[in-house]
Amino acid sequence: DAKTTQPPSMDCAEGRAANLPCNHSTISGNEYVYWYRQIHSQGPQYIIHGLKNNETNEMASLIITEDRKSSTLILPHATLRDTAVYYCIVRVDRGAQKLVFGQGTRLTINP
Amino acid sequence: NAGVTQTPKFRILKIGQSMTLQCTQDMNHNYMYWYRQDPGMGLKLIYYSVGAGITDKGEVPNGYNVSRSTTEDFPLRLELAAPSQTSVYFCASSYQGGPNEKLFFGSGTQLSVL
Repeated sequence: DAKTTQPPSMDCAEGRAANLPCNHSTISGNEYVYWYRQIHSQGPQYIIHGLKNNETNEMASLIITEDRKSSTLILPHATLRDTAVYYCIVRVDRGAQKLVFGQGTRLTINP
Repeated sequence: NAGVTQTPKFRILKIGQSMTLQCTQDMNHNYMYWYRQDPGMGLKLIYYSVGAGITDKGEVPNGYNVSRSTTEDFPLRLELAAPSQTSVYFCASSYQGGPNEKLFFGSGTQLSVL
């Protein structure tokens, strides 16, 4: 599976959009991009995933560049409860969800 | 709906002791996973199972054993605890494999081996 690169930390003001970048320049055509987050010491929580089209759900939007070498997770109106570590993961569809978690981006939402 | 339940939440072991971390899910998921997370690091896959009676190794299986006798339960066994196994252990499940499946995680077991 392709390697991902994320900034170690980011800050965002409450109520503003939080834009978390992820670089996956070695991604191949059949690899999906997944985002999970981990609030404090809880188990990770699924956010969103996509292959090449932009995706949106009730939690966030995922923007994947046309060449698929990078993506951005957007939390449209960040709240204090969005403070967490966000993981960008790339993997091939090989059946079991054997996700490889890097160190992620620690997002801090400030009041 | 409880989701993925892990017990115990905390445990301290002495070197060489054994223990079983319990994981059960009530979502009728076929796939189950065990991850460990060392301080400040991401999660690493220990073992996974695609159904009752079927298990396979992940990235860091040494020192651990698993079994899957029922769809609901996926216990993780540590036979001879070592300080290197001090970590937070997360169990997860998904209905099936494939790209559109998402993992549901338990709340974790914090294990210290002294």
